[in-house]
Amino acid sequence: KAGVTQTPRYLIKTRGQQVTLSCSPISGHRSVSWYQQTPGQGLQFLFEYFSETQRNKGNFPGRFSGRQFSNSRSEMNVSTLELGDSALYLCASSRLTQGRYEQYFGPGTRLTVT
Amino acid sequence: QKEVEQDPGPLSVPEGAIVSLNCTYSNSAFQYFMWYRQYSRKGPELLMYTYSSGNKEDGRFTAQVDKSSKYISLFIRDSQPSDSATYLCAIVQGAQKLVFGQGTRLTINP
Repeated sequence: KAGVTQTPRYLIKTRGQQVTLSCSPISGHRSVSWYQQTPGQGLQFLFEYFSETQRNKGNFPGRFSGRQFSNSRSEMNVSTLELGDSALYLCASSRLTQGRYEQYFGPGTRLTVT
Repeated sequence: QKEVEQDPGPLSVPEGAIVSLNCTYSNSAFQYFMWYRQYSRKGPELLMYTYSSGNKEDGRFTAQVDKSSKYISLFIRDSQPSDSATYLCAIVQGAQKLVFGQGTRLTINP
């Protein structure tokens, strides 16, 4: 069974640019969540999508956006990059089946903004 | 005050010891609690989840929730060097929104 895949794994961008990150969930998982991980702030929730609808959003500026496609794959976009956006971006796919909760994180995309 | 507080450590114990990892949370409305393990350069891995006060056991791991004190714990019995990782607690706040603690870096010494 393939795990959660994220592309690209590493990315270097300059301030002011924009970036799009991709996440392919585990087959059968319709919920995809995105998190930002930094040494100072830890893991912070960005947003969650289920069946192409954003169900929840964290406290991030509007420069951070996302979407989910009909095949459950998800993308997140960060516009007008700032140095502080340098982080590991993680996505997780999940489902609740037969009373059991499954959740798996991808390996992350490490974004460096210079 | 952070919604979830976790001592970042680092914590270093000898192989075979019982490890106790703890978090406190501020909002008594929180119902679901999770524990994750994260190895270096990997995504977090869900270890256990629970939604009630008391203990939940899974192999060498026991998750404990005390809602009256707003305190959650993870115990690791017979700790192994392969348990060396960062352990994160999290509470569920709405649809799939997890609020994480800072994580505790654990080292098990052979």
